[in-house]
Amino acid sequence: EPEVTQTPSHQVTQMGQEVILRCVPISNHLYFYWYRQILGQKVEFLVSFYNNEISEKSEIFDDQFSVERPDGSNFTLKIRSTKLEDSAMYFCASSPRASVPIGYTFGSGTRLTVV
Amino acid sequence: GQSLEQPSEVTAVEGAIVQINCTYQTSGFYGLSWYQQHDGGAPTFLSYNGLDGLEETGRFSSFLSRSDSYGYLLLQELQMKDSASYFCAVRDILTGGGNKLTFGTGTQLKVEL
Repeated sequence: EPEVTQTPSHQVTQMGQEVILRCVPISNHLYFYWYRQILGQKVEFLVSFYNNEISEKSEIFDDQFSVERPDGSNFTLKIRSTKLEDSAMYFCASSPRASVPIGYTFGSGTRLTVV
Repeated sequence: GQSLEQPSEVTAVEGAIVQINCTYQTSGFYGLSWYQQHDGGAPTFLSYNGLDGLEETGRFSSFLSRSDSYGYLLLQELQMKDSASYFCAVRDILTGGGNKLTFGTGTQLKVEL
């Protein structure tokens, strides 16, 4: 079964450092997303990406965050200057056409720990 | 804005039936989904309701009442492996393309012997 892969599975970084989280969505999917989940809390929407541009972003997705699809397969989330409160599990997801009301496929996540 | 409320925790015994409720307040609504998450792992899609009524997928069923802004997930013949967090999520279609899922607060289901 096709899957979304994320690397690394766990990243520890010092406050103020830049991190790049990587994702390989399912190959024939068109829409890509980043979500985050702070430990013990709900899954929160960060950003959606389609046709090489952001289609929506949340209030969490401020100027410190950016996304990129540098080639035909990878989808990255960059945090420019990490803060302690950025510590969370970050999930990448992809979906096919918007008209298809099936679920996203989520990756296994990257646990980001900012120290 | 959007908000979805679920009970924080439900406990049931193996073999039983359990219902997890979800009430929502949303500005845009194109359906209610349910996801299962084990121990902080990837949320996995369980079920989707775009219209009122019951959808059945094996041991899992999901119900939606749009007039009541309410839905539930029904799990039958509970197994120990069903112990997980369950999230309802409202689907909104983005004008820029794609779907946006807004997740509920999550319900921790504990299945006991």
